[in-house]
Amino acid sequence: KAGVTQTPRYLIKTRGQQVTLSCSPISGHRSVSWYQQTPGQGLQFLFEYFSETQRNKGNFPGRFSGRQFSNSRSEMNVSTLELGDSALYLCASSSGLSEGGYTFGSGTRLTVV
Amino acid sequence: AQKVTQAQTEISVVEKEDVTLDCVYETRDTTYYLFWYKQPPSGELVFLIRRNSFDEQNEISGRYSWNFQKSTSSFNFTITASQVVDSAVYFCALRENTGTASKLTFGTGTRLQVTL
Repeated sequence: KAGVTQTPRYLIKTRGQQVTLSCSPISGHRSVSWYQQTPGQGLQFLFEYFSETQRNKGNFPGRFSGRQFSNSRSEMNVSTLELGDSALYLCASSSGLSEGGYTFGSGTRLTVV
Repeated sequence: AQKVTQAQTEISVVEKEDVTLDCVYETRDTTYYLFWYKQPPSGELVFLIRRNSFDEQNEISGRYSWNFQKSTSSFNFTITASQVVDSAVYFCALRENTGTASKLTFGTGTRLQVTL
């Protein structure tokens, strides 16, 4: 089974720009969750998508959005970037069942300058 | 609200020593899942174990073992005969059974440094 693929691995953006990150889950998995990891706040849940619907949302401003396509691939968008958005963004793939585990991708490291 | 506490920020041991990483959790649910993940410098979170709240059996996998005690809300992780390759940040996480919605709540992580 192929693992979870996140692209790109690294990204440098300027304040005010927007960015789109991509996550391809394990084949057959219908749930994709996104997490932000920063030295100050640790690992924080952004949102979860299941069968193209947002099923759960963390406590982040509306600048953070996402979507999921019919093939379960997910994208996350951050608009009007701020310096504080610099972080490692990780996505997790899951079957979506309550007893399911989570497989994480290698992450996208975003630097906002 | 659910919460996971990893009080040990950083631990340094010499190779071959045993080391225990502590994890204490808070939840109001009776059904929940606990996880341990390893994060090497590459950044990927590597799954180590999942345990549901009804299964209090301790588990051993090679040099790794886990001690789950509901009475103290703890899910501790022990590495026996540590090796340099065990150096990483280890995260404990909790998932409550909230029906269809799900998310992991992570602890702040414990950085383990194993030296020769």
